[in-house]
Amino acid sequence: AQSVSQHNHHVILSEAASLELGCNYSYGGTVNLFWYVQYPGQHLQLLLKYFSGDPLVKGIKGFEAEFIKSKFSFNLRKPSVQWSDTAEYFCAVNAGNNRKLIWGLGTSLAVNP
Amino acid sequence: GAVVSQHPSRVICKSGTSVKIECRSLDFQATTMFWYRQFPKKSLMLMATSNEGSKATYEQGVEKDKFLINHASLTLSTLTVTSAHPEDSSFYICSTTGEKLFFGSGTQLSVL
Repeated sequence: AQSVSQHNHHVILSEAASLELGCNYSYGGTVNLFWYVQYPGQHLQLLLKYFSGDPLVKGIKGFEAEFIKSKFSFNLRKPSVQWSDTAEYFCAVNAGNNRKLIWGLGTSLAVNP
Repeated sequence: GAVVSQHPSRVICKSGTSVKIECRSLDFQATTMFWYRQFPKKSLMLMATSNEGSKATYEQGVEKDKFLINHASLTLSTLTVTSAHPEDSSFYICSTTGEKLFFGSGTQLSVL
């Protein structure tokens, strides 16, 4: 069965620290990959997505993610986090022909000022 | 740009009542909408796939008679939580999918 694994459930960082959130998926075919963010009290927002082309994807707010096909990974990165990045981060994979999203459990990021 | 409008954003109801949540695609036709539920531990679960003009496809473990889904037009899908109980309290989110990926703003349901 298709699945998405986010390794870090809770991450606590200080401002200006670098961030990397892991995301691995299990599916052997073509995939579309997404990172979503949910700020406290708000709805989900798309950070970035990968469909094809350059495996290094730039998103909003300084986030980027790299698709490594051989590792079935799509890790999210940010060189220097801010307090305002405190949120829940979800990795999702759109695989196969049914087009439903398979979600990771999410990572709670807390950035201390 | 194209958006998905979901309402209500928040609803509080008594146990035993039914609650309808609407999800509208505002300037595009959505033949398929997905309904998700977000549990308190923040994991998102796909509940069902709503297909315009046909019966919804439910994920394993989701009660069809409890979570009624209707997709009567290309711009509107509804989720009705029937005879709601406190354990149904959760955050419900709709979305389109594929290349056009838009989410509704979600509905926080609290059943007293």
